Amino acid sequence: AQSVTQPDIHITVSEGASLELRCNYSYGATPYLFWYVQSPGQGLQLLLKYFSGDTLVQGIKGFEAEFKRSQSSFNLRKPSVHWSDAAEYFCAVGGHPINTGTASKLTFGTGTRLQVTL
Amino acid sequence: KAGVTQTPRYLIKTRGQQVTLSCSPISGHRSVSWYQQTPGQGLQFLFEYFSETQRNKGNFPGRFSGRQFSNSRSEMNVSTLELGDSALYLCASSGGLAGEQFFGPGTRLTVL
Repeated sequence: AQSVTQPDIHITVSEGASLELRCNYSYGATPYLFWYVQSPGQGLQLLLKYFSGDTLVQGIKGFEAEFKRSQSSFNLRKPSVHWSDAAEYFCAVGGHPINTGTASKLTFGTGTRLQVTL
Repeated sequence: KAGVTQTPRYLIKTRGQQVTLSCSPISGHRSVSWYQQTPGQGLQFLFEYFSETQRNKGNFPGRFSGRQFSNSRSEMNVSTLELGDSALYLCASSGGLAGEQFFGPGTRLTVL
């Protein structure tokens, strides 16, 4: 069964500081990995995805993530956090599009709530 | 391109009633997935429809059902509502080459 672990429930960083949100996954085949962000009362916005190829992927809003197969991790990073980055971040794993056509049946982690202090 | 739209955005129902939620995917997308988000259980997959056929299903009781129309719009229905069905219901559409899912703003259902 597939699963995602986000070990940090809540993280507080100062504006301008660097950020790393951790994500570990369990998946029986080649994973399709995502990071989404959710602001209060809103839907999920896709930040970035890893499908295959280069293990360092760039996303929107200055975020990047690195896929490490040996560690089953897909950590999200940002070199300098802005106050507007305060939100909840979700890591997710899904079936490989080559096999399923879409990254279907996503399994999400429990989320990490990011607070940014000025 | 317009994003995923969900209607209504907010709903209040009482126990025992039924409810229908609607989702219009991004134009050209043929896959629609539904997720339930609650503080206790987090984000959980309900089901996925592709070309009017249910392709995947999560672990929810039969009270939760869905369908997809020929224009890819989807509806989900919850019958005999329970207090625990109070949640944010999110719809996601997929259809690009990379297969990623794009989410709508959700429908907030409150069951009293």
